Amino acid sequence: GAGVSQSPSNKVTEKGKDVELRCDPISGHTALYWYRQRLGQGLEFLIYFQGNSAPDKSGLPSDRFSAERTGESVSTLTIQRTQQEDSAVYLCASSDRHRSYNSPLHFGNGTRLTVT
Amino acid sequence: DAKTTQPPSMDCAEGRAANLPCNHSTISGNEYVYWYRQIHSQGPQYIIHGLKNNETNEMASLIITEDRKSSTLILPHATLRDTAVYYCIVPDNFGNEKLTFGTGTRLTIIP
Repeated sequence: GAGVSQSPSNKVTEKGKDVELRCDPISGHTALYWYRQRLGQGLEFLIYFQGNSAPDKSGLPSDRFSAERTGESVSTLTIQRTQQEDSAVYLCASSDRHRSYNSPLHFGNGTRLTVT
Repeated sequence: DAKTTQPPSMDCAEGRAANLPCNHSTISGNEYVYWYRQIHSQGPQYIIHGLKNNETNEMASLIITEDRKSSTLILPHATLRDTAVYYCIVPDNFGNEKLTFGTGTRLTIIP
C-alpha cells in the first residue's frame, strides 16, 4: 500500500514569508508525528497527534510553528514569518498505535525547506 | 527515552555480515529496542524491534543480551544499498511519541 506522502518535496521561501507543509499518513494510522532534521544532525521531535486526543506540542520551537490534523487524515505544519534557522528537512511519520502500542513509525521522505 | 550509545561509524565489506552494536544500560523492564536506518535524502526506515527475545525479519536480525543492556543489529549479507545511518532507540514506557534519534552509526559498505 501507499506510504506516508509529504508535499512539497522541496520549498524555497524568502525570510518572513509563511509556509505550509502537508503530510498524508498511511490510511488507518491513528498516530501522526512531525520531526525536523537540520543538515548533518539527528531528528528533532516537533509535535504528535493521536486520534482525537489533544496533540503533544511540546517540541514546537516557537509560537511561529503550528500544526493541524483533520481527524485521522491529513496534517499541515505551518511556519509563520520564516527565519533562516528554520531551514531543514521536515519529516512526517505515522503509526498504527490503535492496533499495537509498540507499532513502529513509518516516515515520509520529508520536505526540504530553504529560507533565503 | 533510555540513553543509547552507538559507534559513530563502521565499514563492512559487501557480502559480509554487518554487526552494529548498541548499548542501552539504563533500559527498564518492558522497554523495547527499535532500529531504524536513514539512507541519504530519505526519511528514516523502520528495520526491526524487540523486547528480550532475538528477532528476525526479512531485513535483519536483532540480538538482545540476556541482561538487555546491549543489542546487536545484524545485516546478514550486506549490499551497497545498506550504506546508511543506523539508529538504535529505546523509547520510554509511555510510548514512542517522542522517539529520540541520536547521531547513530554511519555504516559504509565497501565494494
